[in-house]
Amino acid sequence: GQQVMQIPQYQHVQEGEDFTTYCNSSTTLSNIQWYKQRPGGHPVFLIQLVKSGEVKKQKRLTFQFGEAKKNSSLHITATQTTDVGTYFCAGPGGGGSNYKLTFGKGTLLTVNP
Amino acid sequence: DVKVTQSSRYLVKRTGEKVFLECVQDMDHENMFWYRQDPGLGLRLIYFSYDVKMKEKGDIPEGYSVSREKKERFSLILESASTNQTSMYLCASNGRTRENLYGYTFGSGTRLTVV
Repeated sequence: GQQVMQIPQYQHVQEGEDFTTYCNSSTTLSNIQWYKQRPGGHPVFLIQLVKSGEVKKQKRLTFQFGEAKKNSSLHITATQTTDVGTYFCAGPGGGGSNYKLTFGKGTLLTVNP
Repeated sequence: DVKVTQSSRYLVKRTGEKVFLECVQDMDHENMFWYRQDPGLGLRLIYFSYDVKMKEKGDIPEGYSVSREKKERFSLILESASTNQTSMYLCASNGRTRENLYGYTFGSGTRLTVV
């Protein structure tokens, strides 16, 4: 079945450093979504990318979708303590459904103030 | 503000009990989902529903069933709770937005402990 892999599993940075997490799918995706889960919280939808090569920005966060639509990345510039949490990518499909998401296992980001 | 509400934040149940986890959304979404989240295993799909009275198995349906009698409500049932079902259970819904997005809205989760 479809697999979505994320690296790294953990990342610890000093406040002000940059951070990047990478997502790779075993199949071509119609779109890719990113979520953030704060410690003790639930996943919150951040963004959806649809087009090949698409780049979107949300303040200090930059999301990219690969040309082949099989990989994606999330880059945070100048991390802050509020960025702490687990970042998940997710791709639709698998099992014949375009609404069912397969999630990566996430990258846990910790930030040292 | 759109909401997915899960009936309990914490639950403790005994082995062998029948357990009901309730989820209600107020966004008129067609699709609803139940995931469980365990350390090191990420989010795993148990069941989902794309319409009233419709359901499909996810990746780990064994030991679970679901019910969707109304569009806004999706229930997860543990037929006979076991200790390996101790987990965080997350309900989510999605539907087409004006921006043609399909992002999930998650509930706050139910942390179930089976003793």
